[in-house]
Amino acid sequence: SQQGEEDPQALSIQEGENATMNCSYKTSINNLQWYRQNSGRGLVHLILIRSNEREKHSGRLRVTLDTSKKSSSLLITASRAADTASYFCATADNYGQNFVFGPGTRLSVLP
Amino acid sequence: EPEVTQTPSHQVTQMGQEVILRCVPISNHLYFYWYRQILGQKVEFLVSFYNNEISEKSEIFDDQFSVERPDGSNFTLKIRSTKLEDSAMYFCASTQGTGGVVGGYTFGSGTRLTVV
Repeated sequence: SQQGEEDPQALSIQEGENATMNCSYKTSINNLQWYRQNSGRGLVHLILIRSNEREKHSGRLRVTLDTSKKSSSLLITASRAADTASYFCATADNYGQNFVFGPGTRLSVLP
Repeated sequence: EPEVTQTPSHQVTQMGQEVILRCVPISNHLYFYWYRQILGQKVEFLVSFYNNEISEKSEIFDDQFSVERPDGSNFTLKIRSTKLEDSAMYFCASTQGTGGVVGGYTFGSGTRLTVV
């Protein structure tokens, strides 16, 4: 089955720096989404990028998608301590039915 | 902003007991899902539900699990006889269309199930 796999597993940066997280997957997708999860809390949808899109922006977030490499990246610019969370990529297959999360990247932004 | 509501936020149960986790999806959403996350591990798909029936389920979703939409607003996950390894955070989600085509899924804040 397809699976999003994020790397790195953990990332620690200073406030103000940029954070880049990567996601790889195995099979064709309809779209790829990034979610954030604060410790012990629910998942918050950040951004959705469709398979025919290459880049999307939302505030300080920039997502890229390279379907030839089956990979995506999430860039958070000018990070803040409040960005500390786990970030997950999730892929939906071509039928839009199955929706699979990767194991996540734990981001720590140090003040 | 509309949200998915899950209750309870934390449930402790004895091994072998039945538990029912409750969710109220967003009212105009048509597709409903349960996911779980064992502490420190990735989020895993359990089941999707559409038009009052299961549309897909994972290997995790065995005969001990069942889902129901008893009254048109609640969406429940029942675990018949809990095991220690069922301890996890359970998330409910809903969406208007499949695969988040119309937008992302909306997740509830989860129910932390602890089986002792």
